[in-house]
Amino acid sequence: GAVVSQHPSRVICKSGTSVKIECRSLDFQATTMFWYRQFPKQSLMLMATSNEGSKATYEQGVEKDKFLINHASLTLSTLTVTSAHPEDSSFYICSAKSSSTTDTQYFGPGTRLTVL
Amino acid sequence: RKEVEQDPGPFNVPEGATVAFNCTYSNSASQSFFWYRQDCRKEPKLLMSVYSSGNEDGRFTAQLNRASQYISLLIRDSKLSDSATYLCVVVVRMIKAAGNKLTFGGGTRVLVKP
Repeated sequence: GAVVSQHPSRVICKSGTSVKIECRSLDFQATTMFWYRQFPKQSLMLMATSNEGSKATYEQGVEKDKFLINHASLTLSTLTVTSAHPEDSSFYICSAKSSSTTDTQYFGPGTRLTVL
Repeated sequence: RKEVEQDPGPFNVPEGATVAFNCTYSNSASQSFFWYRQDCRKEPKLLMSVYSSGNEDGRFTAQLNRASQYISLLIRDSKLSDSATYLCVVVVRMIKAAGNKLTFGGGTRVLVKP
């Protein structure tokens, strides 16, 4: 149980385009999903917390207009990187918190974004 | 000072040996602690929670020292497959509806060699 999927697993795009990443909890309902970013040889940095049916809460320094988050259902959250630039190239990982657990988060397999 | 700090390593460990490393945290209000394992270019996977009394899961033992604000992970009888980056995760309960905030350490890289 507690499987989280992400799509796509890898994306290469041109600078200026927008990229949408999907995060799905496959076998449980997730009232809260989290979006992280990880640069090479660095740890995961929380970008935003996504609650179903409400606006996402962004961490300091993360532009909400650039990283659009939508959590339309209990099993799906999307992150859209708008007008992507090479510095946005990173490993984006989502996680989901089951309603029935407290602190344990289950991670998706990640999406590797490369912006040319 | 970082909220959660780890020795980045790498710890080069002979197969079959024991390795231990710590993770320090700065927020005394931290309430939950976890060790995650992350393989290269993969997502983190939960290894074990860390309880106040310490806990063991097979060859892995986790300890929590609240007074000194650190947690530790010990791996006995190291296997080649234990080679990975071990991430320390500290949770602070938040007032907001999200419930909690996970903060990751930078990770400790362990390389088990034959």
